[in-house]
Amino acid sequence: KNQVEQSPQSLIILEGKNCTLQCNYTVSPFSNLRWYKQDTGRGPVSLTIMTFSENTKSNGRYTATLDADTKQSSLHITASQLSDSASYICVVSGPDYKLSFGAGTTVTVRA
Amino acid sequence: NAGVTQTPKFQVLKTGQSMTLQCAQDMNHNSMYWYRQDPGMGLRLIYYSASEGTTDKGEVPNGYNVSRLNKREFSLRLESAAPSQTSVYFCASTRKLDWETYNEQFFGPGTRLTVL
Repeated sequence: KNQVEQSPQSLIILEGKNCTLQCNYTVSPFSNLRWYKQDTGRGPVSLTIMTFSENTKSNGRYTATLDADTKQSSLHITASQLSDSASYICVVSGPDYKLSFGAGTTVTVRA
Repeated sequence: NAGVTQTPKFQVLKTGQSMTLQCAQDMNHNSMYWYRQDPGMGLRLIYYSASEGTTDKGEVPNGYNVSRLNKREFSLRLESAAPSQTSVYFCASTRKLDWETYNEQFFGPGTRLTVL
């Protein structure tokens, strides 16, 4: 069973609207949690990283939150643009030097 | 800088054929990784190389071999391809071994492999 679960699997939003993606993990203990953006046909690109002591991190219109107690993270996209259409992947770095990747949430932004 | 490059971009093999996926990075990174990405699943680590001259198995190493040719290049070989190896393969690199201390991971564009 995957230790990192993302929801929803996919979503469609209108340009200019906001959306929030969810990530629940069971990896324990963990050292950091990352969000990546993967455009179609490309490799993932890092958006944010948070350690267990951080609860929010922003990168432009992307804001990630982390609740280490409930083992949940979210990625909020503000004022979406067409270029935000991509898959967003949650990655948790845990014990035994292992990265656990979520399956991703596919976001489609429509004009 | 080109970052991480991979060749080929696409490949179709027949069952039992062999091939080598090439990866190179120009960022002077010590550590390199090979992942596979399948629909509905997260990326899974096949092999990694912490530094030049070392390689280690990841989560799904069966059916693959790797060579860290030098600091820049890390190749992945399929000796006898099977349909279960149909996937998208990504190479990545980091300055140091990723999980020891965080450092940004850079991915290549991927190789889309189909095994018939």
